[in-house]
Amino acid sequence: AQSVTQLGSHVSVSEGALVLLRCNYSSSVPPYLFWYVQYPNQGLQLLLKYTSAATLVKGINGFEAEFKKSETSFHLTKPSAHMSDAAEYFCAVTPASGGGADGLTFGKGTHLIIQP
Amino acid sequence: DADVTQTPRNRITKTGKRIMLECSQTKGHDRMYWYRQDPGLGLRLIYYSFDVKDINKGEISDGYSVSRQAQAKFSLSLESAIPNQTALYFCATSDPQGGDGYTFGSGTRLTVV
Repeated sequence: AQSVTQLGSHVSVSEGALVLLRCNYSSSVPPYLFWYVQYPNQGLQLLLKYTSAATLVKGINGFEAEFKKSETSFHLTKPSAHMSDAAEYFCAVTPASGGGADGLTFGKGTHLIIQP
Repeated sequence: DADVTQTPRNRITKTGKRIMLECSQTKGHDRMYWYRQDPGLGLRLIYYSFDVKDINKGEISDGYSVSRQAQAKFSLSLESAIPNQTALYFCATSDPQGGDGYTFGSGTRLTVV
């Protein structure tokens, strides 16, 4: 079984400030971890992924995330927020074993608000 | 053309009506999925298919059925729509290991009145 917890349904930061979106996972087997972004009235776009290579993963639009096994975390960060980052962000997990029987399990999402 | 195409993009239907949402993909993957998104609940898996002859229920399959017509096509049906099936529906496809991430369609916004 697997699950994802995203702390904070809404996060507000000022333009130019650090963005930190928290994700903790629970998985009985080594996981693959993903962050997706959803802009208003659009589908989901893959930001970055962890697939058991480097623990610090860089993605698109200046985002990065670090896999910390001891903390079962995969927090998303960006050094300087831009107005265009305003969107819904989803963390997701799937077993690395590739069975895929559980598909991709999502957190409930974090709505990122950028204050001018 | 998009890797995953969903039709229709928007649909309003009445309670009790049958409705079908269609999905096609050009990624060449065998695995396809249907998810439902509700505000504050994230995305939840309805059904998934690992190949044309393999269909599996997900977390919230009650009230839904699916058909895998071909490797590239996976449709979702609501046999008798009810208002609490009002949601945003996403189709997705993945490689066998899932390590490349899942590719999602643009979604179908369904409203049941």
